[in-house]
Amino acid sequence: QSALTQPASVSGSPGQSITISCTGTSNDVGGYNYVSWFQQLPGKAPKLVIFDVRNRPSGVSSRFSGSKSGNTASLTISGLQAEDEADYYCNSYSSSSSWVFGGGTKLTVL
Amino acid sequence: QVQLVQSGAEVKKPGASVKVSCKASGYTLTGYYMHWVRQAPGQGLEWMGWINPNSGGTNYAQKFRDRVTMARDTSISTAYMELTRLRSDDTAVYYCAREITYFDSSGYTTRYFDLWGRGTLVTVSS
Repeated sequence: QSALTQPASVSGSPGQSITISCTGTSNDVGGYNYVSWFQQLPGKAPKLVIFDVRNRPSGVSSRFSGSKSGNTASLTISGLQAEDEADYYCNSYSSSSSWVFGGGTKLTVL
Repeated sequence: QVQLVQSGAEVKKPGASVKVSCKASGYTLTGYYMHWVRQAPGQGLEWMGWINPNSGGTNYAQKFRDRVTMARDTSISTAYMELTRLRSDDTAVYYCAREITYFDSSGYTTRYFDLWGRGTLVTVSS
């Protein structure tokens, strides 16, 4: 069960858009629409920002959006704000009723 | 208030075992699967496994299969994760997380982790 592949870091200026990719296999990302994204601030528990590939929980800004193509899911944050600076993790349901996380991406707002 | 309340930090010696608890507050423990996820210092999230608190059924990640046991006590709405034969690289924050799962006859399905505990730091050091 290998971790999903995410870029180690991305950066953007306030107001810009950034996209974080999450690449898996047909046994996880490509095989199920149960891909989630979590935002983690330093010293805090992860917070759900996207579930089921593209759905936003209540209270999460519409600046956050998700998509998927084949074995790769993506998280896009538009209108970047300083408060978006955090670590982001993708998560997918996998075969054999297991789950797998991505390695995480550090977002820096310049 | 719906929340998961985890037990306090632990310090253990190599070879020992640790048992972390996670109390469900504001909802019924047996209504949702509970997952355990850990995060080593400066590292990413790692899925360890889940327990179905209703049946007691479990599914563990291959990496932990021979060292982890997940259990629950429904009378006190608490889930547990026990890790044995601890090593220094087991030093991590251990989280419990609730899974939302829904399937209906129309074909609509959803699965995700919606609620997390604050984490329990387990330090393994001689």
